[in-house]
Amino acid sequence: QKEVEQDPGPLSVPEGAIVSLNCTYSNSAFQYFMWYRQYSRKGPELLMYTYSSGNKEDGRFTAQVDKSSKYISLFIRDSQPSDSATYLCAMSAGGNEKLTFGTGTRLTIIP
Amino acid sequence: DVKVTQSSRYLVKRTGEKVFLECVQDMDHENMFWYRQDPGLGLRLIYFSYDVKMKEKGDIPEGYSVSREKKERFSLILESASTNQTSMYLCASSFVGSRAYEQYFGPGTRLTVT
Repeated sequence: QKEVEQDPGPLSVPEGAIVSLNCTYSNSAFQYFMWYRQYSRKGPELLMYTYSSGNKEDGRFTAQVDKSSKYISLFIRDSQPSDSATYLCAMSAGGNEKLTFGTGTRLTIIP
Repeated sequence: DVKVTQSSRYLVKRTGEKVFLECVQDMDHENMFWYRQDPGLGLRLIYFSYDVKMKEKGDIPEGYSVSREKKERFSLILESASTNQTSMYLCASSFVGSRAYEQYFGPGTRLTVT
């Protein structure tokens, strides 16, 4: 079993829809939870991070962490064609520990 | 604007060749990383370095080595390239410690070994 599981998609939704992306994990030591976005032919870029449990909002994006269920989510409201990308979840135990990435979900927003 | 640059976007090498992939960052980051990215497998850590001349094995170090002679430069070396090393290689860097989760990635090098 992988430490981090992520549905690879692909996921296609119409413009304006709410998108939900999810990851599950097995390592209870994880404390930092990140979402990276990767456009085609580019490297990943950090979109959001959350420390421990709870919600974090940034514009149209909301990250949720439920440590009791070992489940994290990224919600995108009012999705735009420019949101079309691969979204990777990543986790870390903190300090200078390495990141463990999910396999990524490819998202397409249809105009 | 922060920047991580990689020496090549596309590279084609023959089996058995020695391959050098170079990465340079201009953010004075202590940590530097090499990943490979493959469909269905995601990002896998090959090696990382938290200081000059320091290196640590990641999850898949076999067949690779690294060099970090200067803080801003981290090189990945394929001693004898094989076809199963055909992949996208991504370099990243970050500050050490509590901000280590914030990694900055280069654009990647797509390596094909024939």
